Formats: sequence, C-alpha cells, structure tokens
Amino acid sequence: DAGVTQTPRHEVAEKGQTIILKCEPVSGHNDLFWYRQTKIQGLELLSYFRSKSLMEDGGAFKDRFKAEMLNSSFSTLKIQPTEPKDSAVYLCASSPGNSDYTFGSGTRLLVI
Amino acid sequence: GDSVTQTEGQVTVSESKSLIINCTYSTTSIAYPNLFWYVRYPGEGLQLLLKVITAGQKGSSRGFEATYNKETTSFHLQKASVQESDSAVYYCALVPDTNAYKVIFGKGTHLHVLP
Repeated sequence: DAGVTQTPRHEVAEKGQTIILKCEPVSGHNDLFWYRQTKIQGLELLSYFRSKSLMEDGGAFKDRFKAEMLNSSFSTLKIQPTEPKDSAVYLCASSPGNSDYTFGSGTRLLVI
Repeated sequence: GDSVTQTEGQVTVSESKSLIINCTYSTTSIAYPNLFWYVRYPGEGLQLLLKVITAGQKGSSRGFEATYNKETTSFHLQKASVQESDSAVYYCALVPDTNAYKVIFGKGTHLHVLP
C-alpha cells in the first residue's frame, strides 16, 4: 500500500532545538499539505505545495516553521527553534489535485 | 470566510446506543461545497469516512450516515448503534467547490464508546 509515509512517528525535543519532520507523498500526487493537529485548534494548515511550488504557507506559522519540497517524492517541515507550544501531531497529506486527500499517520512531537 | 462548526470536545456513548455528531458549515462560495467526514482511529492516520458532493444526498460508510442539507447548512453524522471500535476522533470538513484544493476542517469530536 503506497500511502503517505511520515517519519519519525514520535519526536521529543528540548526547547530551542531544531527538528525536521519528513513526508513522502503518494506517487503521482501533485499536491502536498502539512497540517498541525491539536485538541484545541483542530487541524491547522501550515503549508501547501502544488507540483513542488509553495502555494500557501499559514501566515501565523511563517516565523519558525519552514516547509520544503525539493523533489516530487519528498518534503520536509523544519521547526526552528522549537517551543513547548509546538507540541502536537503533524500531519502530511497529498492529493492528485482535488479534495481526495490521503493522510499520513503523523508525527507526534513533544517539546519539553 | 469558509468554516465548519461541529460538536466540540468529547462525546461519550454506551455501546449499542445511537449517536449524532452535529456539523454546520459556512461558505462564501456561490457554489455548493463538497462535504466530508474524516476519522482518526487511535494509532492510525486520518482517513476519509464519507463524502457527499450533491446537496440533498446522503453518504454512508461503516454504518455511519450523513445527509447534506443545504437549507440548514448542516451535515450531521449519525449511527443507529455504535460499537466500541468506533471510538475515534471525527472531523467534519468542506471544500468550497469541486475545483478548490484546500479542505477546511472542523475542530474534531472525540467519540468514546463505553463497553
């Protein structure tokens, strides 16, 4: 099953550290999304790529969050420096260019 | 802007009882939105539960149903008899029109089914 692969599944970081989350989208999907999931805010869009071009980066997250997509099969989300309030589940999703999203299992980040 | 409002927090239901999770939406699009329910089971990724793109129609999956009501702008999720395995977080979502790329999610409802 060639779904969306996210690594690592879990990450623990100390405040101030830099962490990099990774995502491999479904082969052939043109769109890739990074979301942050928390109980309070639900799902918040961090970044959106279409054909490797950054189309949208959630304004509130520009400061310390940077997503990149160097090729069509791999994307990273860097958080630098991390803060305790960044503790959340980070989800990557891809789609063929419509609303048929495929989500990864997510990376659970804990910043202490 | 576009938004989705759903039953917030945790909902606790005993096994074999009925369930309803409320969802209403708002959109500035002149087109009718596509509506979705996503589910995240413990330890798994977010996955599509059901999708309805035509107003007035009903979607169903795994015993769950939701009817797209454009008059009340609602898309409530219902199940006649829940099982313990239904315990999960449920998200109502919309896409403003068929050509839009961005899915707008509600904040999620955590369903806890008691055995």
